[in-house]
This record gives sequence, structure tokens and C-alpha cells, in this order.
Amino acid sequence: GIQVEQSPPDLILQEGANSTLRCNFSDSVNNLQWFHQNPWGQLINLFYIPSGTKQNGRLSATTVATERYSLLYISSSQTTDSGVYFCALWRDDKIIFGKGTRLHILP
Amino acid sequence: DAGVTQSPTHLIKTRGQQVTLRCSPISGHKSVSWYQQVLGQGPQFIFQYYEKEERGRGNFPDRFSARQFPNYSSELNVNALLLGDSALYLCASSLVGGRAADTQYFGPGTRLTVL
Repeated sequence: GIQVEQSPPDLILQEGANSTLRCNFSDSVNNLQWFHQNPWGQLINLFYIPSGTKQNGRLSATTVATERYSLLYISSSQTTDSGVYFCALWRDDKIIFGKGTRLHILP
Repeated sequence: DAGVTQSPTHLIKTRGQQVTLRCSPISGHKSVSWYQQVLGQGPQFIFQYYEKEERGRGNFPDRFSARQFPNYSSELNVNALLLGDSALYLCASSLVGGRAADTQYFGPGTRLTVL
């Protein structure tokens, strides 16, 4: 089945720093999404980004579907950005999540 | 408007027992999906229901079953509980489901502990 790999698995940054999270996938898809799960477990959809680039405030995402990867950029990190970031894909009526990148933003 | 609600928030069961988890979607949403999230892992897709019919099923044993009611709320049932069923169970609702472009809204989850 399709494989979704995220890197790095963990990231510790100082408040104000920028970060780039990566998602590689093993098959051609056009439906990649990014989610954020806060430290209390609440999961929120950040982007639906099948291709191209989208921006929402300090967050932006780019997907290059032909090369099977997506990047999530976080600029000027804040402590509220802490949590786990997941990318996910739909295939055969199922959604497949990666294992996530755990981000710690230190004050 | 209320978001997705799940009940109970926490649950402790023993091996072999049965459990029922409940989910109420956002008003107007007709699709509900269930996920299992083991500590340190990403959510694993269990079921998706749309208009009371199963639309998708993940790789879970038949001990897991679900249904959707006429008001679009949903229940997830797990029989013959195993220690490995201990996890956070998440419910998500969306307008029609089955498409990545249809944003899913997640509930706060039910944390199940099997002893």
C-alpha cells in the first residue's frame, strides 16, 4: 500500500525560529492534507494542498506531486505551534496518515 | 455552532469486555469517520459513514463495528477488547466525506484504556 513518511520525527526550536517539515509519499496522489494536533489531542486541518503552494498566516505548504513530496513551513514560531504535525492522503476511500513530526517550541 | 462532540471522554475497561463510543457531528454534516490513535502514532482510519451507509473501512478486525443514525450521529462498537485496543479514538465529521477537499472537523476524542 501507499507509504507516507515524515521528517524529522522530532524538532525543538526557540520561539521566533522558522522550520520546514517534510512529507514523502510513495505513490502518485493529488489529495495531500496537513493537520496539526495540539498537546491536548485536538486535531485540526491546516491545508488541503494537492499541488502548488498555499499560505495561511505564518504557515505555508507546498506540494510537488510529480516528485511525491510536500513541505510545511512555519515562520516566526510561537509556543502555540507546539504539537504534532501530520500529513495524510486519501486512497481507495481510506485516509492514510504519516507518523507525524513532533514540534516543541521553547519560550 | 457546536463542534464535533464525543462521549465519553475517558473510559476504562477490562479485556474481553465490549465498549460503545459515541459521536455527534457538526450540524449539517452527513459524514462521520472514526480513527484509532495509539500513543506516538498517527491516526489509523477505521470507518467512514455517509448517509447511514459505510463508505470506507480500514484494516481493522470484525470486532470493530459502527453505525450511523438518521440524525447523522454515530456509534463505534468494539467487542472482545484486547490490551492493544487502548488508544485515543477520534471522530471526524464532514459535509459529504470521501474526498480530501471536504474538510474534516475532529472531535476531542475518547481515551480508552483496556486493563
